[in-house]
Amino acid sequence: GEDVEQSLFLSVREGDSSVINCTYTDSSSTYLYWYKQEPGAGLQLLTYIFSNMDMKQDQRLTVLLNKKDKHLSLRIADTQTGDSAIYFCAETGDSWGKLQFGSGTQVVVTP
Amino acid sequence: DTGVSQDPRHKITKRGQNVTFRCDPISEHNRLYWYRQTLGQGPEFLTYFQNEAQLEKSRLLSDRFSAERPKGSFSTLEIQRTEQGDSAMYLCASSLPRAGRKYGYTFGSGTRLTVV
Repeated sequence: GEDVEQSLFLSVREGDSSVINCTYTDSSSTYLYWYKQEPGAGLQLLTYIFSNMDMKQDQRLTVLLNKKDKHLSLRIADTQTGDSAIYFCAETGDSWGKLQFGSGTQVVVTP
Repeated sequence: DTGVSQDPRHKITKRGQNVTFRCDPISEHNRLYWYRQTLGQGPEFLTYFQNEAQLEKSRLLSDRFSAERPKGSFSTLEIQRTEQGDSAMYLCASSLPRAGRKYGYTFGSGTRLTVV
C-alpha cells in the first residue's frame, strides 16, 4: 500500500534555511503537497508540485521532487519563529483525490 | 464564505455514548472529506462524498462510524458506542473535484474528541 515517511523533528535557528524531507512509495502519485499545522489548528496548504515537475519556488518556499527516488523536500528560506509548526507531506495518485499523509515533521525555530 | 466550519470544537464523552460531529464545507465545493488524526500522526482518510454520494470509505471506518451528507451541503459523522481508541481529532475538508487535486483541500479546524 501507499506509504509516506518523514523525519520527526527539525531544529533550526531563526534566519537560517530549513529543509524538510519526505519519501513516498506510490509511483502513481500525481500531485504532492506540503501542509502546515499549528497547535490546535487544521491544516494549511503551503504549496504543491505536479509529478512532472522537479522544482517549484513560491516566495520563501522551494519544493524539490526527485521522482526516480520518490523523494520530496521543502526548503524554507530565512526561517522565522512563525514557521514553527508541524509540516506534513501528502500525495495523491490516480484515485479520486484522496490524500495520503506522512506523520509530520515538527519544526522548532530558535532565536 | 469563512472556510470550512466544524462543530463542536471539542467533545468529551463517556465510553459507550454516541457522538455526532458536523462539517459545513465551502459552499461551492462539492467534495467533502473526513479524516482522523491521532497525536503524533498525520491525518488518516476515513471517507469522502461527492455531492450527497458517499464514494469511498476506508477500512478504518468500522460499522460504529457512519457519515452522511443528505443534501450535498453539510455533513455529519456519527460514532456509536464510543471507545477510548476513538479519541482523536476529526478533520473535515472540502474541495472542487478537479481543482482539488491541483490546489489540495481546505481543512476545517477539527473536532477534538476525548472518550473517558
